[in-house]
Amino acid sequence: DVKVTQSSRYLVKRTGEKVFLECVQDMDHENMFWYRQDPGLGLRLIYFSYDVKMKEKGDIPEGYSVSREKKERFSLILESASTNQTSMYLCASSLQTGGAGGYTFGSGTRLTVV
Amino acid sequence: GQQVMQIPQYQHVQEGEDFTTYCNSSTTLSNIQWYKQRPGGHPVFLIQLVKSGEVKKQKRLTFQFGEAKKNSSLHITATQTTDVGTYFCAGINDYKLSFGAGTTVTVRA
Repeated sequence: DVKVTQSSRYLVKRTGEKVFLECVQDMDHENMFWYRQDPGLGLRLIYFSYDVKMKEKGDIPEGYSVSREKKERFSLILESASTNQTSMYLCASSLQTGGAGGYTFGSGTRLTVV
Repeated sequence: GQQVMQIPQYQHVQEGEDFTTYCNSSTTLSNIQWYKQRPGGHPVFLIQLVKSGEVKKQKRLTFQFGEAKKNSSLHITATQTTDVGTYFCAGINDYKLSFGAGTTVTVRA
């Protein structure tokens, strides 16, 4: 089974802190994605990557950056956390470009910024 | 940009009844995917539809892709308590997957 592992299930950070959310997949997938999930808004794409050291902005990249130094690891960075970034963050990977064939999601990180 | 809309947002179903959730896109989709997220869980891929007018079944779940490839539906027959959760559709356009807001299903025993 493809596994996508997110380092933390729950995280509480203070406003202004730099926050790192880590995601690792074990199936050699080229494609990785970061979404945030908020009630009534569904899943919104923050950033994605189709290859090592490659990154593309999604629909809501403001306030976030990403890093992909190794194929299996895709990190989401909140440079200066704000309360409006309190959310559930979901990492996903896919075998095919663009996600055709389906995404595999991690269990999510529920981030609270206080 | 592409928008994927889902209706209804909430579906309260009596156990044993059928229901349908709908997904509509503002643009033509190359394919559409459906996911299920159980309460407290993460989205899990259910199925992908690619061809115009395609219909696929998974036990009590029937998925359909519209002829114009701009809408889709998920029909569940004889709803069970195990069907509880949020069902998302997602459309691929420009090599990115855009998700609808989901239909959250609760079941009355």
